[in-house]
Amino acid sequence: AQSVTQPDIHITVSEGASLELRCNYSYGATPYLFWYVQSPGQGLQLLLKYFSGDTLVQGIKGFEAEFKRSQSSFNLRKPSVHWSDAAEYFCAVGGNFGNEKLTFGTGTRLTIIP
Amino acid sequence: DADVTQTPRNRITKTGKRIMLECSQTKGHDRMYWYRQDPGLGLQLIYYSFDVKDINKGEISDGYSVSRQAQAKFSLSLESAIPNQTALYFCATSEENTDTQYFGPGTRLTVL
Repeated sequence: AQSVTQPDIHITVSEGASLELRCNYSYGATPYLFWYVQSPGQGLQLLLKYFSGDTLVQGIKGFEAEFKRSQSSFNLRKPSVHWSDAAEYFCAVGGNFGNEKLTFGTGTRLTIIP
Repeated sequence: DADVTQTPRNRITKTGKRIMLECSQTKGHDRMYWYRQDPGLGLQLIYYSFDVKDINKGEISDGYSVSRQAQAKFSLSLESAIPNQTALYFCATSEENTDTQYFGPGTRLTVL
C-alpha cells in the first residue's frame, strides 16, 4: 500500500530564511507526487506536482520540489520565506496514470517569525 | 465564483441527528471525493466517486454514506451523528488520468 511520511510536525523559520519541508513516500511504481498548502480557515491549494520528466519542479508562490527516486523523497523548498507562507503543508502520492486515489501525509505546520 | 463549493460552511448538531453536507463543482470533472481532516492526522478519504454510477468506500467510511446526484453534485450524510465525527470535511474533484485534486473550502462540523 502507498504511504507518505512528513517527519516534521512543526517547523519555525525566520522571515527571509530558506525553507525545506521533507516528504518521503512509499509506492510500488512510478509515483505522482503533490504538495498542497492549507492556509488557516481555507481549503487545500495545489502548490506543485510531479508526474514525469524533469525531477525539479517549479510551483506557485516561489516554491520548488525535487523528486529523488533513490531516496523516495519529494522535498519542498523555498529560498526566502515570507510571513504569508505561514500555513500547513501536505505532501501526497498517487499513481497509475491518475487512476490511483491520493494518499496524504499528516502535514507540516510552518510558523514564520519576524 | 469558486469552482468547488461546500454547504454549509459551519454546522453544529447534536448526537443522533442526521446531517447532510453538500458539494457542488463547476469544473466539469467526473471524479469527486470526500475527506475528513483531524489535527495531526492529515486527510483521510471517506468516499470517492469516479463517475455518477460509481461509488467507492475510502479508508474511514463507517458511519457515513454518500449520494452522487449528478456529475456536479456529491453529498455526504451522517445518518446518526456522534461526537467523534467532529472534524473538518473537505470535498474535492479531479480529472481522469491526472490525480490532481481541487478542494472546496471545507465544512466545520461539531457534534455535541
